[in-house]
Amino acid sequence: NAGVMQNPRHLVRRRGQEARLRCSPMKGHSHVYWYRQLPEEGLKFMVYLQKENIIDESGMPKERFSAEFPKEGPSILRIQQVVRGDSAAYFCASSPPSDNEQFFGPGTRLTVL
Amino acid sequence: QKEVEQNSGPLSVPEGAIASLNCTYSDRGSQSFFWYRQYSGKSPELIMSIYSNGDKEDGRFTAQLNKASQYVSLLIRDSQPSDSATYLCAVNAGGTSYGKLTFGQGTILTVHP
Repeated sequence: NAGVMQNPRHLVRRRGQEARLRCSPMKGHSHVYWYRQLPEEGLKFMVYLQKENIIDESGMPKERFSAEFPKEGPSILRIQQVVRGDSAAYFCASSPPSDNEQFFGPGTRLTVL
Repeated sequence: QKEVEQNSGPLSVPEGAIASLNCTYSDRGSQSFFWYRQYSGKSPELIMSIYSNGDKEDGRFTAQLNKASQYVSLLIRDSQPSDSATYLCAVNAGGTSYGKLTFGQGTILTVHP
């Protein structure tokens, strides 16, 4: 049973470019969560999605960041016009509908030059 | 006051000893509590979940929850060098914040031979 998958594992962007991070949840999991871990800081919640619905986006920056979890395909975290401060590890987690134990993917390390 | 607080450590214990990790939280209505282990450069790995007051044991790990004191702890018996990692306490407040995990800053544990 494959775990949570994220790609790419490493992403380098120049300031002003767009970053797209993908997450495929574990089989049987329909809830997806995105977290960000800045260097030397803790994990911070960004957004909670179910298929075709954003349930809680209270941790998302108001501008440049968006997330979706379409009916088909992976969840996408999109960062427009990246800035150096966006450099971080972005983790996706998933859980089944009946439980709130969250299992994390390997993460995407974003570096903004 | 931080929502979830942990001693940052580092906590150093000899091989074979018991490591005790502590966490306090501020939201009295919190419902679910989790311990994650994170090796350097890796993603968080779920070790234990606990929902009710008391102890929960799984192998060498015991989680303890005291909701009245807003305190949760993790004991690692017979500590091994491979247990050396950062341990993250995570709390789910439930209700409208059902999907959101709030993490502490983590405690760095070093188990020396």
